[in-house]
Order: sequence, then C-alpha cells, then structure tokens
Amino acid sequence: EVQLVQSGGGLVQPGGSLRLSCAASGFTFSSYTMNWVRQAPGKGLEFVSGISSNGRSTYYADSVKGRFIISRDNSKDTLYLQMGSLRAEDKAVYYCARVASPYIYYFDYWGQGMLVTVSS
Amino acid sequence: SYVLTQPPSVSVAPGKTARITCGEGNTGSKSVHWYQQKPGQAPVLVVYDDSDRPSGIPERFSGSNSGNTATLTISRVEAGDEADYYCQVWESTSDQVIFGGGTKLTVL
Repeated sequence: EVQLVQSGGGLVQPGGSLRLSCAASGFTFSSYTMNWVRQAPGKGLEFVSGISSNGRSTYYADSVKGRFIISRDNSKDTLYLQMGSLRAEDKAVYYCARVASPYIYYFDYWGQGMLVTVSS
Repeated sequence: SYVLTQPPSVSVAPGKTARITCGEGNTGSKSVHWYQQKPGQAPVLVVYDDSDRPSGIPERFSGSNSGNTATLTISRVEAGDEADYYCQVWESTSDQVIFGGGTKLTVL
C-alpha cells in the first residue's frame, strides 16, 4: 500500500525556518517525481515545489523561490521541504504528493497534510 | 501566466448531473486532471488525462476536454459527492503545476 506520512509542521515566528518531511512507503520512491502543494485556510490548492526522481531537477512557485528548498533522500525514501524567511502568508496546510507518471503530470497519492502557522 | 478558471460553486439535486468546467488557457492542448477534496481531508484524484478514471472511482465521474474548456461530469449525484473540486494541468514552459481556483459542489 502506498503511503506518504508527513511530519514537521507547527508554529514558527515570521522570518523563521521550518523543515517538513514526507516519508514514503509501499513503492519505489526513487522512481517518482515528488511535489509539495499547499492550501491556505479557506483557499484553494497552490503548487509550491517539485523535484525529479533523482533529485537533479527542482522547480518552485514564484511565491517561494529563494526562500524554500526541496530535496529528497532516496536512501531514506523521504522528501523534504526546508522553508526559510517565513511570512504570514505562508500559513497553510502543506501536502506532499506523488507524480503518477513521467509522461503525464498529475498526483495519484497525497500525504495527510501538515499545518504550518507563521505568527509571533 | 497560465490560468485555469472554475466557477466558484455548482449546485445540483440528488440523482441529477453536475458539470464543473475548467477553462481559459487553451486547455485542449494539455491534459487536465481533477481532484475531489472533502473538508479536512487531502485531495483525491478522480479523473486524469482528461477522461481516465483511477481504480476505485465510480463510473459516475467522467471528464472531457475540448478547445478552451475541460469539464468534469458527475452523473447521478449523491450526497457524498459534496466537496470541492479542482482541475490541474502541467505547464511545461515554466515547469509549474497549475490548479484551478476550485468549485464547491453543493448537493441540494
């Protein structure tokens, strides 16, 4: 059974940092592109960042570029999102998601979500 | 940048057909995917590559994509279909995932 189990959310002050993790199981993690998607309270889904299966290619939404870093450890089957210079508008539930296919870019499995609150 | 526009809300009576549109951006040239999200839950894929259904998704859910508009159709709507629905594409020129703004489906 495919599982994506997230950890690392919580409360952080503006300007602070936080790292999210997403532990994968039930599939060959190193074969799949992975993404982070977030959802601000009462709002829609927003792409945050993506990383190729081997970690060599990464891409970011303009809203987080230069502040967030996506990475992965294929030896640990884990995806990360290092968030820095956090702002109030980064408050959201963050989901990790698996890209189903290298040819058609959609998400077939999602993590349970992790709330990040940015407040003093 | 590429924009996907969805109606904020759609209402339908039980047993009827709901249609949720996703447009403005030459969607016909891209594969469109649809997610269902219920309150407090992660999104669930209901249609991918315009019209394919993942295993476990009822046949009542179908999709189409033509010209500038993709459509998610839910036949014989049930109370359990009440949720937010999002369309999504991959914008290869900018390496960005694009989501529509979401549509709240209300079952009357």
